[in-house]
Amino acid sequence: AQTVTQSQPEMSVQEAETVTLSCTYDTSESNYYLFWYKQPPSRQMILVIRQEAYKQQNATENRFSVNFQKAAKSFSLKISDSQLGDTAMYFCAFTDAGGTSYGKLTFGQGTILTVHP
Amino acid sequence: DGGITQSPKYLFRKEGQNVTLSCEQNLNHDAMYWYRQDPGQGLRLIYYSQIVNDFQKGDIAEGYSVSREKKESFPLTVTSAQKNPTAFYLCASSIGPKGTQYFGPGTRLLVL
Repeated sequence: AQTVTQSQPEMSVQEAETVTLSCTYDTSESNYYLFWYKQPPSRQMILVIRQEAYKQQNATENRFSVNFQKAAKSFSLKISDSQLGDTAMYFCAFTDAGGTSYGKLTFGQGTILTVHP
Repeated sequence: DGGITQSPKYLFRKEGQNVTLSCEQNLNHDAMYWYRQDPGQGLRLIYYSQIVNDFQKGDIAEGYSVSREKKESFPLTVTSAQKNPTAFYLCASSIGPKGTQYFGPGTRLLVL
């Protein structure tokens, strides 16, 4: 079974600074997808970024980028130029690209990020 | 606008009562999912459906039931057999099993 671990329950950062959130996962699959979702106080789950395991290039989305280390099974999220609106719970998630998982997302426990002015 | 809607936003359940949470999408997605979120935790999969008239149990299906009679709709019923139903329920959809899942705004279920 796949597992996703986020070892940082809480993080804080000053506005305009850079912060990195950690995520590790465990799987025996070779092809899969990884995601970071953001859940602000409204509780709406919002996709931040997606990485396909067969792509070596790290995904980027404006101020958000990932450091994907397949051999180490590590998938960290870097937020540059942090903004107050980035304050949220961030979840790392995994899904198998094939097999019988049928797109099931396995989530980590989440990291609460607070951006201070 | 395309999107996923969930209703109601808040739902109260009495002892022994079944309640149904609505999830509708107009994204023309084939796959739909129900997740449960408990305070301070990640999401856990309750049920999923890859196609109309077909659905499968997720990790925590006991005490829940679903139907998928239309592509756009995937309602979740929380039955009286679910002894700890208080949670936040999120519905998601994707083009297919390899597609990115997009989420609705959620329903908070509370027990009276």
